[in-house]
Amino acid sequence: AQSVTQPDIHITVSEGASLELRCNYSYGATPYLFWYVQSPGQGLQLLLKYFSGDTLVQGIKGFEAEFKRSQSSFNLRKPSVHWSDAAEYFCAAISSSGGSYIPTFGRGTSLIVHP
Amino acid sequence: EAQVTQNPRYLITVTGKKLTVTCSQNMNHEYMSWYRQDPGLGLRQIYYSMNVEVTDKGDVPEGYKVSRKEKRNFPLILESPSPNQTSLYFCASSLREAGEGYTFGSGTRLTVV
Repeated sequence: AQSVTQPDIHITVSEGASLELRCNYSYGATPYLFWYVQSPGQGLQLLLKYFSGDTLVQGIKGFEAEFKRSQSSFNLRKPSVHWSDAAEYFCAAISSSGGSYIPTFGRGTSLIVHP
Repeated sequence: EAQVTQNPRYLITVTGKKLTVTCSQNMNHEYMSWYRQDPGLGLRQIYYSMNVEVTDKGDVPEGYKVSRKEKRNFPLILESPSPNQTSLYFCASSLREAGEGYTFGSGTRLTVV
């Protein structure tokens, strides 16, 4: 079955430190991949997406993600975290082999930022 | 402004009293979905719609109904709410093309007592 896994439920970093949030997928073919952020009390906002081509994609708010086919991963990174980055982060995938294009979400990673 | 609007934002109701959560989008999106978010379980899809009059069950459809009579609206109906439907609900919409990603509403916090 198709699935998206975010191995870390919580991640704690200090403000100014670098960040990497992990995402692994299990699909027959490379899916379309997305990262969303959910700030407290808000809906989800799209950070970035990957379809094909350059494996390093840039998103909003200074985030980037790297697609690694050999590891079935799409990890989210940021070089220097700000306190306002504290939020819930969701990785999602959509099958690229046609069909309904309905996304599957990971369970989310909660980012805690210490001053 | 392009957006998905859900109403109400907060709702407390009693077991068995029918309720409707409305969802409207102004982006002419074909796809619309309803999700519920529960601690430790992430986002689970309830129902989705690929276009007007086309709806299908997601992962957790029991106890819910939807309709898609117009492209912009996708209400979620709980005919007889139960406490296990206490959750945070999100409506989302997307263009038909897979790569556009979803636009989410701000959520509806539902409590069933």
